[in-house]
Amino acid sequence: QKEVEQDPGPLSVPEGAIVSLNCTYSNSAFQYFMWYRQYSRKGPELLMYTYSSGNKEDGRFTAQVDKSSKYISLFIRDSQPSDSATYLCAMSSMTTDSWGKLQFGAGTQVVVTP
Amino acid sequence: GAVVSQHPSWVICKSGTSVKIECRSLDFQATTMFWYRQFPKQSLMLMATSNEGSKATYEQGVEKDKFLINHASLTLSTLTVTSAHPEDSSFYICSATPLAGGADTQYFGPGTRLTVL
Repeated sequence: QKEVEQDPGPLSVPEGAIVSLNCTYSNSAFQYFMWYRQYSRKGPELLMYTYSSGNKEDGRFTAQVDKSSKYISLFIRDSQPSDSATYLCAMSSMTTDSWGKLQFGAGTQVVVTP
Repeated sequence: GAVVSQHPSWVICKSGTSVKIECRSLDFQATTMFWYRQFPKQSLMLMATSNEGSKATYEQGVEKDKFLINHASLTLSTLTVTSAHPEDSSFYICSATPLAGGADTQYFGPGTRLTVL
C-alpha cells in the first residue's frame, strides 16, 4: 500500500465549477501537507501549505486537512481553463530523519472546459 | 523571487553515455537540494538529498554509483547519470530549500527530460 493515495483522474469540469481534489494517507506521522500544481513538462509549483487540521483559504483555493481521518482536500472555486493541470498532494513528517522529504501522491489531472 | 533553474531542459543520449544535469537556485542560497524522478503519469519519487559540501544521502533502491550528485556551492547541485540506459529515461526534477526557509519551503526546477536511446 502506498503511503499517499490520490486518484489520478482525469477530472473534467466545466468552467466556473468547483474542483474538488483529495488524498488519503496512512502514515500518522505526517504533519505537513502541501498541494502543488504541475503543468505538462514543468516542475511543480506550490499552491497551498498547511500543518494543522481545518481549513485554509487563499483566493480561490481552499485546503482542508482532517488528521483524524488521514484525509486532505483541495477545492478550487470558479475554475478557469488555466487551472487545467495536474495537482499533486505532498506531505512530510519533518522529523530529523525525514527533514525535507516529501511524499507525493500520484497527482490528479484536471481539465477545465470552456 | 525563489527561482530554480535546470539545465538542460531536455537531453537525448546514446546508451552507455553519461549525462550531467545542473540545478541552480538563481536568487537565493540553498542549504539543501533534492533530486526527484518522475515517470509518465506517475508521482515524483525522491532520489537523493544533497547538502552543500557533504555527500548526498540516497533513498533506498537508488544506486549512488549510477546517480552521482555533487553539491559544489550554495547555488548549484549537479546530477550525473552514469552509463545511462533506456530504463533511466525519465523526467528529473530538482528542488531547493532557501537558507532562511523551513524544510517545507521547497522550490522546484522546471525539470529535465532525459531520453536514452
